[in-house]
Amino acid sequence: AQTVTQSQPEMSVQEAETVTLSCTYDTSESDYYLFWYKQPPSRQMILVIRQEAYKQQNATENRFSVNFQKAAKSFSLKISDSQLGDAAMYFCAYSWGNFNKFYFGSGTKLNVKP
Amino acid sequence: NAGVTQTPKFRILKIGQSMTLQCAQDMNHNYMYWYRQDPGMGLKLIYYSVGAGITDKGEVPNGYNVSRSTTEDFPLRLELAAPSQTSVYFCASSSRQDFNQPQHFGDGTRLSIL
Repeated sequence: AQTVTQSQPEMSVQEAETVTLSCTYDTSESDYYLFWYKQPPSRQMILVIRQEAYKQQNATENRFSVNFQKAAKSFSLKISDSQLGDAAMYFCAYSWGNFNKFYFGSGTKLNVKP
Repeated sequence: NAGVTQTPKFRILKIGQSMTLQCAQDMNHNYMYWYRQDPGMGLKLIYYSVGAGITDKGEVPNGYNVSRSTTEDFPLRLELAAPSQTSVYFCASSSRQDFNQPQHFGDGTRLSIL
């Protein structure tokens, strides 16, 4: 069974600084996809970044980047130059197979201090 | 561009009542999903559908039913509401055109059963 673990229930970062959120997953598959979603208090689920397991290069999207370690089954999210609007719950998700089913971690609440 | 639309946004039910959560998408996506999110937890897959007339169980299907008569709509039915079904419910959809596309989420339905 696929499992996704986020071991940090809550984290805090000072505005303009950098923070890294951790995610590990368990799978026996070789081809899969990993995602980070942001959920602000409005409850929307917003895609932040996506990584294909067959790609060695780490994905980046503006201030967001990932550190994908396939052998260690680790997929961390780095947020640079943190902004107040980054405060939210962040969910790591794993997807595999033809039907694109997602498996989510329990989330990390990120607080951004001014 | 509406994306994924869920109704209602909030609902309070009494134990034993029934109701249907509505979900509609206007992106012509083949794949649709229902998740529940319990407080402090990630999303758990209830049911999913890969096209009109085709549905299958996810991780936590007990107490729920679904149908998919059209590409656009994917309603979720609770037959005998129980307190354990108090949760936030999310509907999502994704394209089948490219392997493992991101899922697009609705804004959620907060359901309380008393």
